This record gives sequence, structure tokens and C-alpha cells, in this order.
Amino acid sequence: AQSVTQLGSHVSVSEGALVLLRCNYSSSVPPYLFWYVQYPNQGLQLLLKYTTGATLVKGINGFEAEFKKSETSFHLTKPSAHMSDAAEYFCAVSDRTDDKIIFGKGTRLHILP
Amino acid sequence: DAGVIQSPRHEVTEMGQEVTLRCKPISGHNSLFWYRQTMMRGLELLIYFNNNVPIDDSGMPEDRFSAKMPNASFSTLKIQPSEPRDSAVYFCASSPLGGGAYIQYFGAGTRLSVL
Repeated sequence: AQSVTQLGSHVSVSEGALVLLRCNYSSSVPPYLFWYVQYPNQGLQLLLKYTTGATLVKGINGFEAEFKKSETSFHLTKPSAHMSDAAEYFCAVSDRTDDKIIFGKGTRLHILP
Repeated sequence: DAGVIQSPRHEVTEMGQEVTLRCKPISGHNSLFWYRQTMMRGLELLIYFNNNVPIDDSGMPEDRFSAKMPNASFSTLKIQPSEPRDSAVYFCASSPLGGGAYIQYFGAGTRLSVL
């Protein structure tokens, strides 16, 4: 069965600093991987996704993630944090056998001025 | 497109009452998902539909919960009778194609409080 583990339910970074949110997955087949973001009182929206091909994927708002099969990881990064990045971030995985995607527990990102 | 539309945005009800949550997916999308989000359990998939047909309802917590999709543009999630532990934010999402490769578009959610 597929699963996702996000390390750290809360992460704090200073404005302008590197953002690194960690995600490890488990899947018996090559997965599709996603990062979603949830701003307060809103639904989730897609940041980026990996399906096949290039392992470094770029998303909206300057975020990117790298698929590392050997490490079963899909960490999310952004070189320079902005106050507007404060939100909850969800990593998700699909094993492509059906339409479901499995979400991690989420990481709340706090940006310190 | 207006996106996925959920109503109501907030619902406060008393234990034992029936609650109906509504969802209008994005036009042309043929997959629809209902999720529940709580602090304790995170985001849980309750049920999903393809082409108006329920495919997987294994996440529905118990018989008090039911979901329908009578046509491609409307779905409901009903709780009868409601209990305080049902308090959560309920999200509806739609997807343009079947298959896990595709993006799910979420509504703004319905915040349910059962007193």
C-alpha cells in the first residue's frame, strides 16, 4: 500500500531563508507525487507534480521538488522564503492503480520576519 | 470557470440533526472526491465518484454518512444523525480525468460544527 510521511508538522524559517519541507513515500510501483498548499480557510491547490521524466520539477511561486527514487523522497524547496509562503503544505502520492491520491499529515510553514 | 463550489461554507447544527453538504464540480470534470479534514486525523478521503458512479466508499466512517451524485454537476454528502465527533472541515474536489496522475481541484470547504 502506498503511504506518505512528512517530517515535521511545523517548520519555521526566516524571511529570505531557504525553505525545505521533507516528504518520504512508500509505493510498490513507480509513483506519481504531488505537493499541495493550503492557505488559511481555503481548499488545497496544487503546487507541483511529478509523473515521469525529469526528476526536478518546478511549481508555482518559486517552489521546486526533486524525485529521488533511491531515497524514496520528494522534498520541497524554495531558495528564499516570503511572508506569503506561510501556509500548510501537503505531500501526496498515487500508485496509479486508481484515482485516489494519498495525502500526508501536512507541514505548517511559519515565516519569521 | 468558477472552480469547485461548496455550500454552505459554515454549518452549525445540533447533535441528532441531519446535515447535507453540497458540491458543484468544475464543468467537464468526471471525477469527484469528498474529504474530511481534522486536526487529529488530517485529510481523509471519504468517497469518490467517476462519471457519477461511486467507486470507493471505504473511507465513509459509518452508515450515518451517505453520498450521492445524481448528475455530473452536483453531489451531496449527508450525515444523519449528526454527532459532535463529525465536526470537521469537509472538502469536495474534482478532477478532469480518471487516474492518479491528474490534478484535483478543491473547493473552499464546509466547516461543520455539531453541538
